[in-house]
Amino acid sequence: QKEVEQDPGPLSVPEGAIVSLNCTYSNSAFQYFMWYRQYSRKGPELLMYTYSSGNKEDGRFTAQVDKSSKYISLFIRDSQPSDSATYLCAMREFSGGYNKLIFGAGTRLAVHP
Amino acid sequence: NAGVMQNPRHLVRRRGQEARLRCSPMKGHSHVYWYRQLPEEGLKFMVYLQKENIIDESGMPKERFSAEFPKEGPSILRIQQVVRGDSAAYFCASSPETSGGAGTQYFGPGTRLTVL
Repeated sequence: QKEVEQDPGPLSVPEGAIVSLNCTYSNSAFQYFMWYRQYSRKGPELLMYTYSSGNKEDGRFTAQVDKSSKYISLFIRDSQPSDSATYLCAMREFSGGYNKLIFGAGTRLAVHP
Repeated sequence: NAGVMQNPRHLVRRRGQEARLRCSPMKGHSHVYWYRQLPEEGLKFMVYLQKENIIDESGMPKERFSAEFPKEGPSILRIQQVVRGDSAAYFCASSPETSGGAGTQYFGPGTRLTVL
């Protein structure tokens, strides 16, 4: 079993839809949870991160963490064609005295006009 | 404020040649990570370096691959005697912190290596 599981999609939605992207994980020691967005043939860019359980909102994006279920989500409201990208979840593991990020495989999202 | 820089952006090599990939971290960052990404796959950790030190190379193949981050200059990922299976996008990330905090890493645009 992988430490971080993420459905690769692809996920196709119409413009304006609410998008839900999810990851599950197995390591209960993870404390920081991140979402990165990666456009085709570009490097990943950090969207937002959350510490422990709870919600965090940034514009049209909301990150949610449920540590009891080992489940994290990213919601995108009023999705736009420019949101079409691969979304990667990542979790911070503190091991050996330093931080290490464990990534999910990424979910490809296509928002069509 | 320049982000993480990587060069070259595209690199073509024939089997058996050497590939050298360079990464300059963000200003103020002294921690560098290298990842490999195959098509339709996630990021696979390769190696973590601080200035003049390799901290964790657990994700790097034992043979043909090496990495360094000298006191001066960029970090280098070196692949000797490349094979077709080395074709991938290689990303470098940098971070300002090692312990505590979110451990957020900032990524460069990547180097796409094609082995003919």
